[in-house]
Amino acid sequence: QVQLVQSGSELKKPGASVKISCKASGCTFASCTLNWVRQAPGQGLEWMGWINTNTGNPTYAQGFTGRFVFSLDTSVSTAYLQISSLKAEDTAVYYCARSSSGYDSWAGYYYYYMDVWGKGTTVTVSS
Amino acid sequence: SSELTQDPAVSVALGQTVRITCQGDSLRNYYASWYQQKPGQAPVLVIYGKNNRPSGIPDRFSGSTSGNTASLTITGAQAEDEADYYCNSRDRSGHPVFGGGTKLTVL
Repeated sequence: QVQLVQSGSELKKPGASVKISCKASGCTFASCTLNWVRQAPGQGLEWMGWINTNTGNPTYAQGFTGRFVFSLDTSVSTAYLQISSLKAEDTAVYYCARSSSGYDSWAGYYYYYMDVWGKGTTVTVSS
Repeated sequence: SSELTQDPAVSVALGQTVRITCQGDSLRNYYASWYQQKPGQAPVLVIYGKNNRPSGIPDRFSGSTSGNTASLTITGAQAEDEADYYCNSRDRSGHPVFGGGTKLTVL
């Protein structure tokens, strides 16, 4: 059974950096695509991007370039999200999630879904 | 604003059927996936693909697509189904995007 275990809550001051981890177990790490999803307090889910655990190639959603960096340590099956120059508006719960995708040729539709989620890491940015 | 549009709130009487919809151009080519989120918990995948349920998801949950609209139907809603529901598909750049979410109240 695939599990994603995230690191614990963080309290940071504005301008600092934070690095959140997401450790995968129960799957071949190189075959997982790991996504990062943000949820600000009282708000909806926001897809931040993903990282290909086979190539290490990250893809960032619009609005998550520059201060946000996805990385891997394949030796410990762990993905990381680093956020630099933290701002109060970065206060949120950050989730990692494994995704799968493909094409249903019979129906002519593509599919994509995130089937395994970490429990989330709360990042609070406050002076 | 999201490229996927959901009604902010929907209510259903206990045991009745409710449909939660998600509209967006990408739904003509991409199946939506649906996520249930209860307060203080991580999202849970409830429907993916044409109409697939992960293991452990009750069969009262079903999904469908017509044109630019995807629907999540709960047949015989239970009190434990009260939650926020999010659809996910693609934006114009081909990246995943979530709808704004629908808060389901079971009366």
